[in-house]
Amino acid sequence: NAGVTQTPKFQVLKTGQSMTLQCAQDMNHNSMYWYRQDPGMGLRLIYYSASEGTTDKGEVPNGYNVSRLNKREFSLRLESAAPSQTSVYFCASIRTTQDEQFFGPGTRLTVL
Amino acid sequence: QKEVEQNSGPLSVPEGAIASLNCTYSDRVSQSFFWYRQYSGKSPELIMSIYSNGDKEDGRFTAQLNKASQYVSLLIRDSQPSDSATYLCAVSPQWRSSGGYQKVTFGTGTKLQVIP
Repeated sequence: NAGVTQTPKFQVLKTGQSMTLQCAQDMNHNSMYWYRQDPGMGLRLIYYSASEGTTDKGEVPNGYNVSRLNKREFSLRLESAAPSQTSVYFCASIRTTQDEQFFGPGTRLTVL
Repeated sequence: QKEVEQNSGPLSVPEGAIASLNCTYSDRVSQSFFWYRQYSGKSPELIMSIYSNGDKEDGRFTAQLNKASQYVSLLIRDSQPSDSATYLCAVSPQWRSSGGYQKVTFGTGTKLQVIP
């Protein structure tokens, strides 16, 4: 099992450009999450998907959109990137009956 | 007041010593507590979870929970240089999630340095 995979690993954007971060899990988990991690701020939830076909906002959703394509895949889209979105983005998934979250390797995004 | 507070460190301990990492939380209804380890440039990985007051041991790691004091700690015995990482405390108000949204609040982490 690959666990949780994310692409790309690194990305540099110019202000105003758009991009989609991809996440996939092969653990048959129902719930998936997108976090961003910034120095001194900890992990902050952007969006989550409790189950296939549903998505909801987290703590910091502004400037982002998500799509739960199927049970395996959960993508995060930046429509018009801003320097404030420079961060490390982690995707995570959770087993339905356990509370431990499994994280992907992260995407390091820089917006110039 | 932050929901989950940790000393950012760095906490420096000599190899072989006990490292003690502390975390306080503000939500009294919290039920589930986690410790994640995050190496520099890597993603968090779960090392301990605890749900009841008292101690829980797993190898060199012991998690301690005191709900009355709203305090959770992680002890690492016989610390090794490979333990050098940032340790994230995470708290959830839910017992066992049956699916759906698991609200988890993360602390900002404590950086541990184990000196050879």
